[in-house]
Amino acid sequence: DIQMTQSPSSLSASVGDSVTITCRASQDIRNDLGWYQQKAGKAPKRLIYAASSLQSGVPSRFSGSGSGTEFTLTISSLQPEDFATYYCLQHNDYPRTFGQGTKVEIK
Amino acid sequence: QVQLQESGPGLVKPSQTLSLTCTVSSGSISSGGYYWSWIRQHPGKGLEWIGYIYYSGSSDYNPSLKSRATISVDTSKNQFSLKLRSVTAADTAVYYCARENRVRFGDYYFDYWGQGTLVTVSS
Repeated sequence: DIQMTQSPSSLSASVGDSVTITCRASQDIRNDLGWYQQKAGKAPKRLIYAASSLQSGVPSRFSGSGSGTEFTLTISSLQPEDFATYYCLQHNDYPRTFGQGTKVEIK
Repeated sequence: QVQLQESGPGLVKPSQTLSLTCTVSSGSISSGGYYWSWIRQHPGKGLEWIGYIYYSGSSDYNPSLKSRATISVDTSKNQFSLKLRSVTAADTAVYYCARENRVRFGDYYFDYWGQGTLVTVSS
């Protein structure tokens, strides 16, 4: 199985701050990675595909980068609606594996 | 807009079989390129992929479940189902059904999800 190690597990930030979340894959997954946002009691929603492409309808303050084994999600200028939990997901191989999640909380 | 809805018991006794069904509406489960999946989330924890089934009947599972899971499809009812045998308290989780979109080569993702259903394993 491909292990996805995500960090940090949680962070506190203020509206307007920029934050970065990292995912590391246990083997080369090219750019077969997506980032998902999950709000309390809701199903996840994809924000980024192919590691760095923005899903249609997602604000441009979200961006992704990386390939191979190291990936990052950056949210520039945090907005109140961005406080949620974020997951990376690899689709290079089965079983599909998610990162452990990063909870972004209001400072 | 495709919609998915999970149904099944919210309480299962230890050692018994958890059974859930996902009903797909506003879209055909027999459409090519879509893999019908189950994903679970333990309380306050992350997401775990359980497995998928294709409309043809081909399937794949997470080895971590040690062959306890079986996913089946009923194309006439536009439904797919999960059975998880020999459950323990560790199987208590919110279970989601989801569609994995594999229409575009290399760009695979879960585009539609059910609302999730909490299944508690307890005597």
